[in-house]
Amino acid sequence: DSGVTQTPKHLITATGQRVTLRCSPRSGDLSVYWYQQSLDQGLQFLIQYYNGEERAKGNILERFSAQQFPDLHSELNLSSLELGDSALYFCASSVDAGSNTEAFFGQGTRLTVV
Amino acid sequence: GNSVTQMEGPVTLSEEAFLTINCTYTATGYPSLFWYVQYPGEGLQLLLKATKADDKGSNKGFEATYRKETTSFHLEKGSVQVSDSAVYFCALRRNSGYSTLTFGKGTMLLVSP
Repeated sequence: DSGVTQTPKHLITATGQRVTLRCSPRSGDLSVYWYQQSLDQGLQFLIQYYNGEERAKGNILERFSAQQFPDLHSELNLSSLELGDSALYFCASSVDAGSNTEAFFGQGTRLTVV
Repeated sequence: GNSVTQMEGPVTLSEEAFLTINCTYTATGYPSLFWYVQYPGEGLQLLLKATKADDKGSNKGFEATYRKETTSFHLEKGSVQVSDSAVYFCALRRNSGYSTLTFGKGTMLLVSP
């Protein structure tokens, strides 16, 4: 158990809908990262937050947004869903945003868009 | 930009065979290098890391050496077990400022008894 909790574990929804994925980081970790894992694209970095502020943005679509709350949990919002958004979404956390700090991953949320 | 290239899988081995999974990278400066493992149905776990050239990371019988001259970080294990069957990801992270992990596409390892 990495200490990073993601909910829900599975989500099935229809095209055009909006969903929210939730991540609770390890106790004491200030930095949260979101990744998308798909068969064709592999693991793609989406966005990073550090202590409530956005720190880095990767290949995140405009239809997607995220935030980190004062209690440090984070939510990833996916809207106007398309079939191609079906993927495994991982959250990771680390103590800080430095390059040598280990990132711990949650078990992921499997999103299926039908 | 930063990128990581791994050998494509699946790699299929018999138990007790020697394992090598190749990983090369492109990055500005000198990044930290990582191997993560993903067991079926689980998230990624850090397997080992190396933060500077010539460092050797090791864990659970796996090892990898940071080779700056060949920009490589190949993963090796002398004798694999069935329980090592998983997907292995090579990753890098810049050693300056705020940085995120850049992953390779992953290599699936299948070990048969």
